[in-house]
Amino acid sequence: QITLKESGPTLVKPSETLTLTCTFSGFSLNKSGVGVGWIRQPPGEALEWLALIYWDNGKRYSPSLKSRLTITKDTSKNQVFLTMTNMDPVDTGTYYCAHRPIATAGTTFDHWGQGTLVTVSS
Amino acid sequence: IQMTQSPSTLSASVGDRVTITCRASHSFNSWLAWYQQKPGKAPKLLIYKASTLERGVPSRFSGSGSGTEFTLTISSLQPDDFATYYCQQYNSYWTFGQGTKVEI
Repeated sequence: QITLKESGPTLVKPSETLTLTCTFSGFSLNKSGVGVGWIRQPPGEALEWLALIYWDNGKRYSPSLKSRLTITKDTSKNQVFLTMTNMDPVDTGTYYCAHRPIATAGTTFDHWGQGTLVTVSS
Repeated sequence: IQMTQSPSTLSASVGDRVTITCRASHSFNSWLAWYQQKPGKAPKLLIYKASTLERGVPSRFSGSGSGTEFTLTISSLQPDDFATYYCQQYNSYWTFGQGTKVEI
């Protein structure tokens, strides 16, 4: 059974750096083709993909946020991290991590964490 | 690739047939998914590869389309189906539509 859970600060100040942790179980990020992504959702708005890291440490970033994002992993601890710099109130929202299966499965983010709400305010 | 859903809001009744459309700014091969999201919950994958039903999803949900136009159909709306639905392309990175709220 695949599970993911996000953790991190609930409140950050403008201009600060946000670091979120995704702790997962039920799959290995050593398995060829597997990835873990981050997606966010401002209150009452649509989903927005942010970043993804693959089993081989390959990384993909949203072009519009690339300069502010860093995604890393600790495979031994089953954790993926997302860092976002220069936080602004418009970055307020729920941040999700999600499992992306191997490409040959033909599918996309199939298991999601419960999400963590991050508020950016002074 | 930009994804545009229509309508933004849909009012329907139990038993209705409901169709949601997702249009892409560029054509691609079937790498499209549909999610259902309820308030305060994470999105749930319903359909992937445009028309493949995720395991455990009721058969009243179906997907179709290719190229730039895709549809999600609910054949007979059930009380549990009132939610917001998102399309997502995964042909080139990942992009979501703006969502369609299905309300009573």
